[in-house]
Amino acid sequence: KAGVTQTPRYLIKTRGQQVTLSCSPISGHRSVSWYQQTPGQGLQFLFEYFSETQRNKGNFPGRFSGRQFSNSRSEMNVSTLELGDSALYLCASSPDGALNQPQHFGDGTRLSIL
Amino acid sequence: GEDVEQSLFLSVREGDSSVINCTYTDSSSTYLYWYKQEPGAGLQLLTYIFSNMDMKQDQRLTVLLNKKDKHLSLRIADTQTGDSAIYFCAESSGGNNRLAFGKGNQVVVIP
Repeated sequence: KAGVTQTPRYLIKTRGQQVTLSCSPISGHRSVSWYQQTPGQGLQFLFEYFSETQRNKGNFPGRFSGRQFSNSRSEMNVSTLELGDSALYLCASSPDGALNQPQHFGDGTRLSIL
Repeated sequence: GEDVEQSLFLSVREGDSSVINCTYTDSSSTYLYWYKQEPGAGLQLLTYIFSNMDMKQDQRLTVLLNKKDKHLSLRIADTQTGDSAIYFCAESSGGNNRLAFGKGNQVVVIP
């Protein structure tokens, strides 16, 4: 069974641009969550999607958004990029609508802002 | 609120046991997790424990939970060089899938 797949693995952008990251969950998993990992702040929750709806949201500005498609694949978008957005963005999936289920992570997209 | 604390660095000789500790503050935590992160990789789920359990053993891994002190530990028996990584504890609570992570504990295994 394939794991969580994130594309691209690496991305370089400049300030002011926007970026879209993609996540394909484990087959059959319907919940997708996104996290940001930085050396200074550690791992921080961005948002969670289930059945194409945002179910939970962390404390990030509105420049960070996401969506989920009917096949459970998810994308996150960051607009007007800032230097501080440089981070590893991790996607995690869990099986279904039940809460507090173990989440399985992808290898992440490393975003660098110049 | 959620606040997970971990110590930062542990050095251990190959074949010895290693113990990583974690404290959390949210008494409503339902599940507590241990994840492993190797360089350049994402998070690998190692094991997890439900909050009504005291201990869980899975091969070389033993998780101990002291709910009274809000203390979680991970013991790795017969530590191997492949165990060198950063280990994160995480908690989920509040009836949602949002995980709160500790800062991580880097384990270096010396051959």
